[in-house]
Amino acid sequence: KNEVEQSPQNLTAQEGEFITINCSYSVGISALHWLQQHPGGGIVSLFMLSSGKKKHGRLIATINIQEKHSSLHITASHPRDSAVYICAAATDSWGKLQFGAGTQVVVTP
Amino acid sequence: DAEITQSPRHKITETGRQVTLACHQTWNHNNMFWYRQDLGHGLRLIHYSYGVQDTNKGEVSDGYSVSRSNTEDLPLTLESAASSQTSVYFCASSEGGLAGITSYNEQFFGPGTRLTVL
Repeated sequence: KNEVEQSPQNLTAQEGEFITINCSYSVGISALHWLQQHPGGGIVSLFMLSSGKKKHGRLIATINIQEKHSSLHITASHPRDSAVYICAAATDSWGKLQFGAGTQVVVTP
Repeated sequence: DAEITQSPRHKITETGRQVTLACHQTWNHNNMFWYRQDLGHGLRLIHYSYGVQDTNKGEVSDGYSVSRSNTEDLPLTLESAASSQTSVYFCASSEGGLAGITSYNEQFFGPGTRLTVL
């Protein structure tokens, strides 16, 4: 059983809709990362958080340490948000990552 | 601009051959990581290094080795390539340097190497 679980696996939304991706973990963490993998394969870091909430543009990431749960929200979704979103738990003090399986998001016009 | 590069970007090799994938970063980061990405498994850690001369095994290290002789490079070697090692390989780096300072642990990923073992 993977110690980092994401849901849903796939998600299709209409442009403008609010999107939520969930991540649950069963390991101790120093931080929780959200990554985006573009259709071309490149991976970029979106957020790294160890408590509370972070916001960047239309993206919001939250974490509840007690419940071992994090969410990534996309407000006013756009077709350019179509990508795979990956959560990853940093399992040591230097940031070694354990990954969820990813959520494929497709936003249609 | 500082960056992280991988070479080659695509490689086809035969079973049993030794293959080395290069990873080079110009940020002077302490931490470097190698991952493989496969359908159905997501990203998995192969090896990692927290500084020069430091190397550690990840969850799928069998059949792979790394060495860290300088800050900039962490080459990944497949000692005897197997078809099960057909995958996309990503290298990443983070500043690191101080344990527990999470702001130093954001990882920056290379563009990936697609390896096919026939």
